[in-house]
Amino acid sequence: EAGVAQSPRYKIIEKRQSVAFWCNPISGHATLYWYQQILGQGPKLLIQFQNNGVVDDSQLPKDRFSAERLKGVDSTLKIQPAKLEDSAVYLCASSLDRSVDNEQFFGPGTRLTVL
Amino acid sequence: AQSVTQLDSQVPVFEEAPVELRCNYSSSVSVYLFWYVQYPNQGLQLLLKYLSGSTLVKGINGFEAEFNKSQTSFHLRKPSVHISDTAEYFCAVEFTGGFKTIFGAGTRLFVKA
Repeated sequence: EAGVAQSPRYKIIEKRQSVAFWCNPISGHATLYWYQQILGQGPKLLIQFQNNGVVDDSQLPKDRFSAERLKGVDSTLKIQPAKLEDSAVYLCASSLDRSVDNEQFFGPGTRLTVL
Repeated sequence: AQSVTQLDSQVPVFEEAPVELRCNYSSSVSVYLFWYVQYPNQGLQLLLKYLSGSTLVKGINGFEAEFNKSQTSFHLRKPSVHISDTAEYFCAVEFTGGFKTIFGAGTRLFVKA
């Protein structure tokens, strides 16, 4: 079974530039999560999708971050414009559905450096 | 407020020695508890979870954890570690009805030969 795929693996940009990350979840997984992991901290949930609908985006900085999952499969996370404090690893995860019984499977992450 | 605290940022230990990684949480509602492992340049992988039932939970790679409701703790243990256990370990909590996982800051386990 293929795992969660993310691209790119690494990205370096200058502040005020835009960047986009892509995630392809495990086939058949209805729930998709984007996490931000700042160095030295645990992952923080940014947004959670159930199929193509948003169920939680309470910690997404909506003035600069946006995410979509138009067909209920793959997803993109965008930052526009980026700030220095956005430097982090962005993790995508998926699960069969939102039930706590279902394990979240994580991708390898995209490491973003903002200069 | 609901929170997760991992008391040790780094734990160095010799190979074949026992190890305990500590995790405490704060919550006014029931919780589900998890431990994840993150190897270098890899995504997080679930080690074990407590949802209900027996408070002693066994996971992969010989790890186990015990849920202690009175102490609000979920410490991770392994009786004998290997070099390959060197990784970062994250405790995580989901509060009932919340549908959101909150992670601790992580504990870096470094196993020395």
